[in-house]
Amino acid sequence: NAGVTQTPKFRVLKTGQSMTLLCAQDMNHEYMYWYRQDPGMGLRLIHYSVGEGTTAKGEVPDGYNVSRLKKQNFLLGLESAAPSQTSVYFCASSTAPRGRSAEAFFGQGTRLTVV
Amino acid sequence: GDSVTQMEGPVTLSEEACLTINCTYTATGYPSLFWYVQYPGEGLQLLLKATKADDKGSNKGFEATYRKETTSFHLEKGSVQVSDSAVYFCALSDQIQGAQKLVFGQGTRLTINP
Repeated sequence: NAGVTQTPKFRVLKTGQSMTLLCAQDMNHEYMYWYRQDPGMGLRLIHYSVGEGTTAKGEVPDGYNVSRLKKQNFLLGLESAAPSQTSVYFCASSTAPRGRSAEAFFGQGTRLTVV
Repeated sequence: GDSVTQMEGPVTLSEEACLTINCTYTATGYPSLFWYVQYPGEGLQLLLKATKADDKGSNKGFEATYRKETTSFHLEKGSVQVSDSAVYFCALSDQIQGAQKLVFGQGTRLTINP
């Protein structure tokens, strides 16, 4: 079972370079999320999407853009990478919350280093 | 805003020891509560959840009870195994524009020695 797949798994960028992280899910989930994980800070929400063609800002959106052109894919872009964006990035997906909660499924993460 | 505070790590125990990882939260509404586990090199997996006061979530020998009066959701296991070594995250769910936003604690790294 593929679940949520992130590519690439590792990447090193120079300051000012751009890149796109790809997230793909095969569970037909409506909702998709991008988080970043930093030491001692847990996971913080960057952007999210509640359906194909829709995106919204999360807690720490600055310096990132996203697109959801297809239901199964959620792309995270860095237009001009900065060292502060060195982090581990996680994509997650879920069904629409029914009532009070819906389980989120996470990808394996992308470790990004900006030098 | 909503927040989650969990026990500072790292935590190191011997196999078969008892485990408690403390988690408290602040929330304006009535959130659902979760424990996620992250094994080395992997993404987060849902370990257990509770959606209302006094609910007990359980899975793989782990338990946590939703205590509204103390705003807590402590993770417990009576006898840990080496395979339980991982990072554990407490989280609550908050609704934002119809979507579910998870607010995470900082994570607690658990190491179990044989």
